[in-house]
Amino acid sequence: GDSVTQMEGPVTLSEEAFLTINCTYTATGYPSLFWYVQYPGEGLQLLLKATKADDKGSNKGFEATYRKETTSFHLEKGSVQVSDSAVYFCALSDQGGAQKLVFGQGTRLTINP
Amino acid sequence: EAGVVQSPRYKIIEKKQPVAFWCNPISGHNTLYWYLQNLGQGPELLIRYENEEAVDDSQLPKDRFSAERLKGVDSTLKIQPAELGDSAVYLCASSLGGQGRENIQYFGAGTRLSVL
Repeated sequence: GDSVTQMEGPVTLSEEAFLTINCTYTATGYPSLFWYVQYPGEGLQLLLKATKADDKGSNKGFEATYRKETTSFHLEKGSVQVSDSAVYFCALSDQGGAQKLVFGQGTRLTINP
Repeated sequence: EAGVVQSPRYKIIEKKQPVAFWCNPISGHNTLYWYLQNLGQGPELLIRYENEEAVDDSQLPKDRFSAERLKGVDSTLKIQPAELGDSAVYLCASSLGGQGRENIQYFGAGTRLSVL
């Protein structure tokens, strides 16, 4: 079945550091790919998405590119802030977004000032 | 615009007791999802509704879990009787529905269940 594998955490960085969180997937067909973020005490929020190969999703300084050849969707940010501290989930949805989301295990990110 | 609303936010019960969670989706969203999130893991789908019809309940443990969405709007997820292993966060999400690849799921804050 479909699956998502994320870089294990926790990840701790200093403010203004470069961030990469790795995500690879296994799926039949051509899934849509997502990054969700979960701030402390809050629900999951969509951070960015990409629906086809070579698409780049971006939001709030975060970017991820849908790489079909490497089945990857790595999350990057050039300069992280303390407010980026959260848990990040990579997810896929096959047959369009109406179907279930399959999530990775999440990566906890802590940014120190 | 109000987001997905879930209640209660926290629930503590003793094992073998029943418990129910409530979800009100975003207005106009036809598709409603219940996910289970165990500690340190990503959410996993329990059940998906298209309007009032459960179209994917393959991961719902039907011996103790039940769900309903009677008027195609809000939904209730029930566990009876609860077991220690049911301690987790129960998430509700909604989306407009349809097969479009742009279809986005919006999540509520979740209900954290502790079974003692």
